[in-house]
Parts: sequence; C-alpha cells; structure tokens
Amino acid sequence: DTAVSQTPKYLVTQMGNDKSIKCEQNLGHDTMYWYKQDSKKFLKIMFSYNNKELIINETVPNRFSPKSPDKAHLNLHINSLELGDSAVYFCASSQESGSSYEQYFGPGTRLTVT
Amino acid sequence: DAKTTQPPSMDCAEGRAANLPCNHSTISGNEYVYWYRQIHSQGPQYIIHGLKNNETNEMASLIITEDRKSSTLILPHATLRDTAVYYCIVRVGAGSARQLTFGSGTQLTVLP
Repeated sequence: DTAVSQTPKYLVTQMGNDKSIKCEQNLGHDTMYWYKQDSKKFLKIMFSYNNKELIINETVPNRFSPKSPDKAHLNLHINSLELGDSAVYFCASSQESGSSYEQYFGPGTRLTVT
Repeated sequence: DAKTTQPPSMDCAEGRAANLPCNHSTISGNEYVYWYRQIHSQGPQYIIHGLKNNETNEMASLIITEDRKSSTLILPHATLRDTAVYYCIVRVGAGSARQLTFGSGTQLTVLP
C-alpha cells in the first residue's frame, strides 16, 4: 500500500552511461518533486512539477531531466553520468490545493557511479 | 525562505521528552515553521507545522515564541524509533506544493 514508490532502490553504473529512476505515487497528488541527498547528507530540491509548471533548480545540470507520462509518475532521466552524481535521490509528492500541508517522500534510490 | 539554525546533535533518554530547538530570527509574517524528520536511510517524514500558535498532533507538539524568532519541537515520550535527523524549515505559505529547503538538521539520538 505504498504511497510514493521508487525503482530501483539501488543503481550502480559506470560513468558516461544514461539511466532512469522511476517514481510513482498513488495518493492522487498533483505535484511531484525530485530531491538529491549527497554524501554530506544535505537534501536539495532538483525539480518540482505539476501539470501546469516545471520548476527547475538552476544548479541542476541539464543532463538531468524529469519526465512525467501522467499525473502519478515523475521519472528522472540522467544522461552522461558523472562520479559526482552519486547520491540518494528522493521522489516526493503533495497536493497543491486544499488543506494538505505534507510532502510525502519515497524510500530513495541510491545511485553509485563508478 | 528564512534561514534556520539548529544544534547539530542532541541526546535524549528513552521515555523522556525530547525538546528540539530551532532559531529563525529572520522569519517574516507569512512564513510557516515546518518540521520533518529523516530516519536513517529513509525518506523524510512530515511531523508538524505552525504559523504563530502552538500546535499539537499525534506525533509531537510545536511551541513557537511570541516574537516567532524561535520554536521548539517536543516529542513527549521519546522512543528508540524516534532516533533521526530532525529538520526545521521555514517557508512561505501553508500549502504543500512548494519545494522544501532542508538545512543540516539536528541528529537526535534516543538512548535506552
């Protein structure tokens, strides 16, 4: 009965490869996010997206791109992977309207680039 | 969003109240105080939020000073499962659909 799920949980790949991380939420939320947590444990927003607007953190390289096939999914595509991309990536969702105050986070995907 | 300052770490005995402080001296009138926590290797979890009144839910209580420059998250009866990093976040608006800016948080360790 998972609210926000991510696949895969672990991803090990080589530099230069292209990879994707999938995120799905079954909460009926209209806004989804990707966050990156680096080795120093700092959590940083990468993207927020709803059916109206994509907001990109200006520090995110354009090798990263979110793709949303529908309202319940926001996948993260990464091209030409670099060592510095190694981190834990968290997907989250929330409901923009109404009285909801929470963002719900997925379990994270640990990406290791070798 | 206003900057927050939290102690890097705290210990608490199991069964006792854990009081986690947060300083947000530059908070503006339309900014809310949110608390999230992250248990090791898991995604962050929402705890509570408030504007100026004290708030309580099934997880915790939030005490905001009258001048709103600081707040305290209270876990009334800490358990070992409350060991986590606790983040105090100040953000404009009550709605959830805005990105969260996480600081370094407080590592709370509940001791048996």
